[in-house]
Amino acid sequence: GESVGLHLPTLSVQEGDNSIINCAYSNSASDYFIWYKQESGKGPQFIIDIRSNMDKRQGQRVTVLLNKTVKHLSLQIAATQPGDSAVYFCAELRDSGGYQKVTFGIGTKLQVIP
Amino acid sequence: KAGVTQTPRYLIKTRGQQVTLSCSPISGHRSVSWYQQTPGQGLQFLFEYFSETQRNKGNFPGRFSGRQFSNSRSEMNVSTLELGDSALYLCASSASYQETQYFGPGTRLLVL
Repeated sequence: GESVGLHLPTLSVQEGDNSIINCAYSNSASDYFIWYKQESGKGPQFIIDIRSNMDKRQGQRVTVLLNKTVKHLSLQIAATQPGDSAVYFCAELRDSGGYQKVTFGIGTKLQVIP
Repeated sequence: KAGVTQTPRYLIKTRGQQVTLSCSPISGHRSVSWYQQTPGQGLQFLFEYFSETQRNKGNFPGRFSGRQFSNSRSEMNVSTLELGDSALYLCASSASYQETQYFGPGTRLLVL
């Protein structure tokens, strides 16, 4: 996989508000998408996934929306809590010559203000 | 089920040395992938193993190598360490192809 990496965009949200984190993916052939949460000093943690035959999937306090027309993925977190503070990044997966190619987004840092 | 485990968690080496990192996947998972994460480059794919065979490889020099054992445990080796190899090395396992990858906590390598 590749990722473009760099200066992380930051989203600051008041505790209790809803958060929306966006991701623009690169390849229209990607057919599986995952959102990960990474807290400082830890490995990425799976949050929710969605396949390309869906446009919305809900989990506990999280919703992922997929817009294939504009190659856009979003993660919505309801009633954001201080424990949600972390870096969130998306991953797009596609078949590439019989292999699975994974591309990660650069990530968004979510800061929850108590 | 226990999650993905990686050892050691932290490592300090000097330039020119070599290092071996270990990853134990989730029980029953046969695919193991390795990634390098740095502040400047984000997550970069190193290689993927499935049933002891390397199936996919990223754009890293030959100093980076890996292997997978019959019990699905995997190791990666970096020879002739360079300062730029300082990073968090993450291992992820999945049950099979195009299945969700679950990450371990990573091994933080510092090369002096």
